[in-house]
Amino acid sequence: GQNIDQPTEMTATEGAIVQINCTYQTSGFNGLFWYQQHAGEAPTFLSYNVLDGLEEKGRFSSFLSRSKGYSYLLLKELQMKDSASYLCAPREASGTYKYIFGTGTRLKVLA
Amino acid sequence: GAGVSQTPSNKVTEKGKYVELRCDPISGHTALYWYRQSLGQGPEFLIYFQGTGAADDSGLPNDRFFAVRPEGSVSTLKIQRTERGDSAVYLCASSSPIGRSGANVLTFGAGSRLTVL
Repeated sequence: GQNIDQPTEMTATEGAIVQINCTYQTSGFNGLFWYQQHAGEAPTFLSYNVLDGLEEKGRFSSFLSRSKGYSYLLLKELQMKDSASYLCAPREASGTYKYIFGTGTRLKVLA
Repeated sequence: GAGVSQTPSNKVTEKGKYVELRCDPISGHTALYWYRQSLGQGPEFLIYFQGTGAADDSGLPNDRFFAVRPEGSVSTLKIQRTERGDSAVYLCASSSPIGRSGANVLTFGAGSRLTVL
């Protein structure tokens, strides 16, 4: 089966750092993706981890621990435009390779 | 095309009617995915295609839902006898490879918002 757990909402201040956690259980595993989704828009790709450790990409970093079924997305130097939902999406590897999305974490960045 | 194109962007229909939603993926992308997203929720997997064949249709909620991709490019999601609970944004995504792992980045279309009255 599959289960993905993320906080529903988070609030942070402009310029701060925020960490969005995700725990997952999937049938097989073939990488974990983070997507950003602004209200009323389609999700857009942010980052991808397939091996344990930290992947850094500008203000955004993502971490993965496969043994713990755990990932986080780290956003630094928050800007107002970072207010969006952040979706954790592990990719299954059990005969087919579908992506399962969590409910998303709605981040509000305050001035 | 340059991106994933979905039509119509909005569809309002009456309960019991038949609906078709179309997805035109990025040229050359062999994998195509359909998701459904309700307000405040993440995308819910429906079906994905590898080429012309449905590789996994385990997310289709019932036999009123069907999808085709006859030539391995454009896909159509078909919903028969629509119900109010079918109201949602239907997202289509196609994928490209990333790195050496074989995992693919999904590029989403803007979605088709379906409202069943």
